[in-house]
Amino acid sequence: QVQLVQSGAEVKKPGGSVKVSCKASGYTLTRYYMQWVRQAPGQGLEWMGIINPNGGSTSYAQKFQGRVTMTSDTSTSTVYMELSSLRSEDTAVYYCARERSGCDWWGQGTLVTVSS
Amino acid sequence: ELVLTQSPGTLSLSPGERATLSCRASQSISSSYLAWYQQKPGQAPRLLIYGASIRATGIPDRFSGSGSGTDFTLSISRLEPEDFAVYYCQHYGSSPRAFGQGTKVEIK
Repeated sequence: QVQLVQSGAEVKKPGGSVKVSCKASGYTLTRYYMQWVRQAPGQGLEWMGIINPNGGSTSYAQKFQGRVTMTSDTSTSTVYMELSSLRSEDTAVYYCARERSGCDWWGQGTLVTVSS
Repeated sequence: ELVLTQSPGTLSLSPGERATLSCRASQSISSSYLAWYQQKPGQAPRLLIYGASIRATGIPDRFSGSGSGTDFTLSISRLEPEDFAVYYCQHYGSSPRAFGQGTKVEIK
């Protein structure tokens, strides 16, 4: 059974950074890309970027270039998304999602609240 | 940069009716890489359709997808109470993996 288990909710101050983890089980992490998607309160889905855990290559949405870093640790089957220079508009639920003919498995989401 | 535009923004229908949702791309995309998702409040999205027309595992056959080039459609033949939700299309396979802004299907 495939599972993507994300780290818990975070509260951060403006200007800070947050690192969200996504631990995969039930399959070999390196077989599929992992997307990161966020959803601000009451808003739609926003694509942030993607990582190939097999080698670590990444592609980021232009909006987040310079502020986001996605990494993977194959020894623990975990991918990470770090977002820096946080502002209030970054308050959102952040999801990891396995890409295999679309995103067929999703993490439960991690709420990141940016507030002074 | 690819933009996906979904219409309508909101669809008000009754259970048993047919729903037709549109997703239009700003440039031609391969139908092999068009997906549809359903999202209910407080839940992660769920994959319904990939490859524009292939139902994901466990998805009822009342859901169907079609289209090519720049115009794609998700149809729900007879709405069940559990189908009232927000639906998103996404292009995948190459970056950026854009999402449409969503269509809310609400009970009339």
